[in-house]
Amino acid sequence: KQEVTQIPAALSVPEGENLVLNCSFTDSAIYNLQWFRQDPGKGLTSLLLIQSSQREQTSGRLNASLDKSSGRSTLYIAASQPGDSATYLCAVRYGGATNKLIFGTGTLLAVQP
Amino acid sequence: NAGVTQTPKFQVLKTGQSMTLQCAQDMNHNSMYWYRQDPGMGLRLIYYSASEGTTDKGEVPNGYNVSRLNKREFSLRLESAAPSQTSVYFCASSAGTVFTGELFFGEGSRLTVL
Repeated sequence: KQEVTQIPAALSVPEGENLVLNCSFTDSAIYNLQWFRQDPGKGLTSLLLIQSSQREQTSGRLNASLDKSSGRSTLYIAASQPGDSATYLCAVRYGGATNKLIFGTGTLLAVQP
Repeated sequence: NAGVTQTPKFQVLKTGQSMTLQCAQDMNHNSMYWYRQDPGMGLRLIYYSASEGTTDKGEVPNGYNVSRLNKREFSLRLESAAPSQTSVYFCASSAGTVFTGELFFGEGSRLTVL
């Protein structure tokens, strides 16, 4: 069964700390992987999209890596700020006959000032 | 840019009532989707549309119907609402073929069925 897991479910860090969020998937035959941010009561905002042929993508203080062989993606946030507090979700797209997009349940991040 | 717009943002229904959630995107995307988000369950796909005039069932389609009215609009209808349909509903769109591109989401519609 194709699953996407995000551990931990919640994380609290002091402001300024560099941090890593994890996303694990059970099937390495992925098409792409997308990281989202969700603020309370809001929709999902796309952060980064990594194609299966890529190893990483960067946007500002965010860097996402992809290791298909180990079934893992990480989202690195540099110099965290209170405004980074949100839930971060990853979604894995499986291609071919499967053609599914599966979401993890997210990591709730709190950056303490 | 408006992106993906959903209406209404909040709705309370009684069991058995019907309603339609509206979604429109202004990004000229081919593919559109309806998801529901429940605590501890993640996002689950209800229906999706690869192009105008086509719709397909997702993971949890029972109790719902959809219409892809034109390229911009994709509506979700609950014919006879049940308490199990209390959820937050999100519409999303993407360029290109289904699931291949970056997903853009609306702000969500919070539905309570009493």
